[in-house]
Parts: sequence; C-alpha cells; structure tokens
Amino acid sequence: GEEVAQTPKHLVRGEGQKAKLYCAPIKGHSYVFWYQQVLKNEFKFLISFQNENVFDETGMPKERFSAKCLPNSPCSLEIQATKLEDSAVYFCASSLRIGTPQAFFGQGTRLTVV
Amino acid sequence: DQQVKQNSPSLSVQEGRISILNCDYTNSMFDYFLWYKKYPAEGPTFLISISSIKDKNEDGRFTVFLNKSAKHLSLHIVPSQPGDSAVYFCAASGDSGNTPLVFGKGTRLSVIA
Repeated sequence: GEEVAQTPKHLVRGEGQKAKLYCAPIKGHSYVFWYQQVLKNEFKFLISFQNENVFDETGMPKERFSAKCLPNSPCSLEIQATKLEDSAVYFCASSLRIGTPQAFFGQGTRLTVV
Repeated sequence: DQQVKQNSPSLSVQEGRISILNCDYTNSMFDYFLWYKKYPAEGPTFLISISSIKDKNEDGRFTVFLNKSAKHLSLHIVPSQPGDSAVYFCAASGDSGNTPLVFGKGTRLSVIA
C-alpha cells in the first residue's frame, strides 16, 4: 500500500492480558521500525527489521515484548502479560532502504492497560 | 541521557510571521537530522531533513539550518499559517540511516490568526 497501516487504532487490555499490534509497511519498503510514545513524550525505539530479519533490537524490553515480520503477513508486536506502564501509543514506521533516514509512520495504536 | 533536546515545549506565533523551532543534540556521530510534524491522533509526518555535510536546506516555506560546531539546528517556517499548528519533532540519525531515529520531546507550535 501507499501508507503504513496499523491496526487496531485502539486496544484496551486488563493487566496481565496479552496485546498484539499489527503493522503493514509501505509496499517495497524493506525496513520496519517500532517506536513507543508514552504520555506524548519522545519516541522510544523498540526494534527494527530488514525484511523478516531482526536488524536492531537494542530497545526491546527483554521480557514480555516480542516482534515478528513474516513474509506475506503484517508485522506484529506482541506484549505478554501487559502492565500499566505499557500504556502508550505504539508507532510503526517503514523506510525504503538503509541510508535513507526518512521513515514513514503509521497512525499508531493506542494501548491502554487497565 | 537525552541526545536530542527541544527545550521549548511550546511556541505561539502570529499568522504571517516567522516561526523558529530549535533543537540541540549531543552526539557528534549523528549525520542526518530530520523534522517531523504531528497532528493529534496521527502519526508523525516527515517535513524536511538535512545532511551533516550541509548547513542549510530549503523546501518552500520550510528551511532547516544546521550549526555543527554548536550542535544546534533550527526549523524556520515563513510565513506561518494556521495549518502549521502542530507538534514538531526534531530527530537525528547516525551512520547514514543504519541506526534508528532519535527524537526530541517536541515543540507545540500554535499559529494564531
């Protein structure tokens, strides 16, 4: 597609439940990034993919968070056993290739953990 | 440790005047700087970028200036329009895009008609 598509737009989970977020990058873009924005503050980098391979996961919390980008499927970010502090807007972005720092962002998924 | 800082949380400017948004950075390894604009409930939209080998880049009403010695960049919008009211994020990238974008906390610009 012509834009990064994120679903769902809003997600509410009880503490301890699982949350799964999806992202379809722009067609032809090889790189996918996940960012977390808490309380409208700066964007915290979580993980990036080059096609289906993890490229950089230095921002991913070691526990509870996992992500995948499988061929012919939307990328996903999964949070096991959500905590209140996971409440945030999660943005996905894609870029054409490395060496092009400009990334295109989706509209975000607002996760609320209650 | 914040590597990209936007020290003004908000800025109000009258329509038709110049808006100047500032950004400072600490990491001298950054080689690309970008500005994103964000409306509520939307994702950030790329506005303009500058490579560290340049000191100015212009695109219509938007100009970004880079002062490497001061580790400072600014975004100038002239003339400002009410539709420019949004949150502006400064971002930086190292290694020609091989590293993820590092964002500042944003500056909310209000353009008053």
